[in-house]
Amino acid sequence: DVKVTQSSRYLVKRTGEKVFLECVQDMDHENMFWYRQDPGLGLRLIYFSYDVKMKEKGDIPEGYSVSREKKERFSLILESASTNQTSMYLCASSPPGLASNEKLFFGSGTQLSVL
Amino acid sequence: SQQGEEDPQALSIQEGENATMNCSYKTSINNLQWYRQNSGRGLVHLILIRSNEREKHSGRLRVTLDTSKKSSSLLITASRAADTASYFCATDREGGFKTIFGAGTRLFVKA
Repeated sequence: DVKVTQSSRYLVKRTGEKVFLECVQDMDHENMFWYRQDPGLGLRLIYFSYDVKMKEKGDIPEGYSVSREKKERFSLILESASTNQTSMYLCASSPPGLASNEKLFFGSGTQLSVL
Repeated sequence: SQQGEEDPQALSIQEGENATMNCSYKTSINNLQWYRQNSGRGLVHLILIRSNEREKHSGRLRVTLDTSKKSSSLLITASRAADTASYFCATDREGGFKTIFGAGTRLFVKA
């Protein structure tokens, strides 16, 4: 089974801190995604990457950046955390080609609270 | 931007009853997927239906797709307490790499 592992289940940070959320997948997937989930809004795409060192903005990239130095690892960076970035963050991966948007494999999520 | 909109937002039923959730979307799609999320966890893929398919089954799940109405439904038959979760529809978008999710339906199955 595909395993997508997010480094922290819960995280509490202070306003202005630089925050790193890490995600690792073990199925050699080319595509990796970061979503945030807020009540009533569903999942919104922040950034995605379809190859090492490649990244594309999603729908809500402001205040975030990403890093993909290795195929299995996709990091989400909050440059200066703000309270409106308190949310559940979900990492996902998918295989390449036509199947890239047919089935996403998700990690368990990181609940981030910014105080 | 949300592509899929689920209806109802919340649903409470008795164990053994059927649960039906609906999803509407705005633009043309290649496929539509349904995912399940247990409380506070990640999403798990349940089933995919392609735009040229009208109905698909997987165990107790039945999914229909009506591209003329831009809508889909997920039916869970003979529901169990363990089916209690949030259910999301998701669609692809041009560019191939983006999957867009709706806000979800929260299903509560009472034992």
